[in-house]
Amino acid sequence: DTAVSQTPKYLVTQMGNDKSIKCEQNLGHDTMYWYKQDSKKFLKIMFSYNNKELIINETVPNRFSPKSPDKAHLNLHINSLELGDSAVYFCASSPHSAGGPYTQYFGPGTRLTVL
Amino acid sequence: AQTVTQSQPEMSVQEAETVTLSCTYDTSESNYYLFWYKQPPSRQMILVIRQEAYKQQNATENRFSVNFQKAAKSFSLKISDSQLGDTAMYFCASFSGTYKYIFGTGTRLKVLA
Repeated sequence: DTAVSQTPKYLVTQMGNDKSIKCEQNLGHDTMYWYKQDSKKFLKIMFSYNNKELIINETVPNRFSPKSPDKAHLNLHINSLELGDSAVYFCASSPHSAGGPYTQYFGPGTRLTVL
Repeated sequence: AQTVTQSQPEMSVQEAETVTLSCTYDTSESNYYLFWYKQPPSRQMILVIRQEAYKQQNATENRFSVNFQKAAKSFSLKISDSQLGDTAMYFCASFSGTYKYIFGTGTRLKVLA
């Protein structure tokens, strides 16, 4: 019954490793997002996909590569992890039919710790 | 460019009292949506309330209501009868149809017993 799910919820890894975070939504939404929340709780958008097409890429290092195999899934792969990548990563989805209401629904977040 | 500003980094309120969290925004769009999200210590982001800019009536959801002042570009959240479970970070956000939501920096609210 979970609307937006992310796996894993916690990820601890060494610098230089490559890791992936998966996201799935069962709400039938056509738009999905990745956000990064830093230690000060600031929420910054990274990517947005609409019907599997990348529409927002917010000056994120190209070590971060999103992939959307279908409109219900949006995965995030991170290469060569750095200490500064430690954060909570949130996946979200929203409907974008004309007229709104455009409410975003968030996953539970993935806390990534790079050692 | 769209901006959302929350000028109160931290606030506290006594249980059962009322508290108002401030949010101002800026957008050049004529049609937009405004949201308040709550992030408790569990870190899950939860929608609290939503307001469509074209609606003049302020949105209300149980103990939560907004004061939407379109001309002043202000969107404050009022929490009545505060409960311990209201302790959380509260984020104000705007959306204007460009697939991009803009979030404020958040207000940490602590409800005191």
